[in-house]
Amino acid sequence: GESVGLHLPTLSVQEGDNSIINCAYSNSASDYFIWYKQESGKGPQFIIDIRSNMDKRQGQRVTVLLNKTVKHLSLQIAATQPGDSAVYFCAEISDFGNEKLTFGTGTRLTIIP
Amino acid sequence: KAGVTQTPRYLIKTRGQQVTLSCSPISGHRSVSWYQQTPGQGLQFLFEYFSETQRNKGNFPGRFSGRQFSNSRSEMNVSTLELGDSALYLCASSLGPGANEKLFFGSGTQLSVL
Repeated sequence: GESVGLHLPTLSVQEGDNSIINCAYSNSASDYFIWYKQESGKGPQFIIDIRSNMDKRQGQRVTVLLNKTVKHLSLQIAATQPGDSAVYFCAEISDFGNEKLTFGTGTRLTIIP
Repeated sequence: KAGVTQTPRYLIKTRGQQVTLSCSPISGHRSVSWYQQTPGQGLQFLFEYFSETQRNKGNFPGRFSGRQFSNSRSEMNVSTLELGDSALYLCASSLGPGANEKLFFGSGTQLSVL
């Protein structure tokens, strides 16, 4: 069945450096992907999304890249700050009219001061 | 504008009991989804409600149920609790159904089953 997985469960980055969090998905029919950030004691918070007809999308300090050929998704965070420390999840929606999200297992990002 | 509110924040129950969790969506949001989060399984979809009707359901046993009221507030119920039901239960709301609508999550209810 479809699954969304992450390459690394933990990532430590020096404050000010850029970070890249990766995500692999197995369902080639997936057409919409979302990155969420979850801080301790809080629910997931929407960061950025991308549709399958796009390769790249930029937000404030964040960029999502989608490589449909290898079914890979990445989240780049520029100039990391202590507040970026959190668990990051990628999620996919394979049925565009369906609110059911399939989440990856998450990557814990730690920003080292 | 108030965010998604879930009550209670923490809950301790024993095996065999039942529990009801509550979720108040963001004002104006009519769609509510529930997710279970555990360290082992991650975030898993439970069900989604829109206009008091269940639109989608995840792969959970019938012990897990939910409902939505006319004011869009939602409750989920778990009967005959098992140890494995210990988890963070997250509610998310959106303006309406459909993948175009962004989900806004509450802080969750942490359920511990002893």
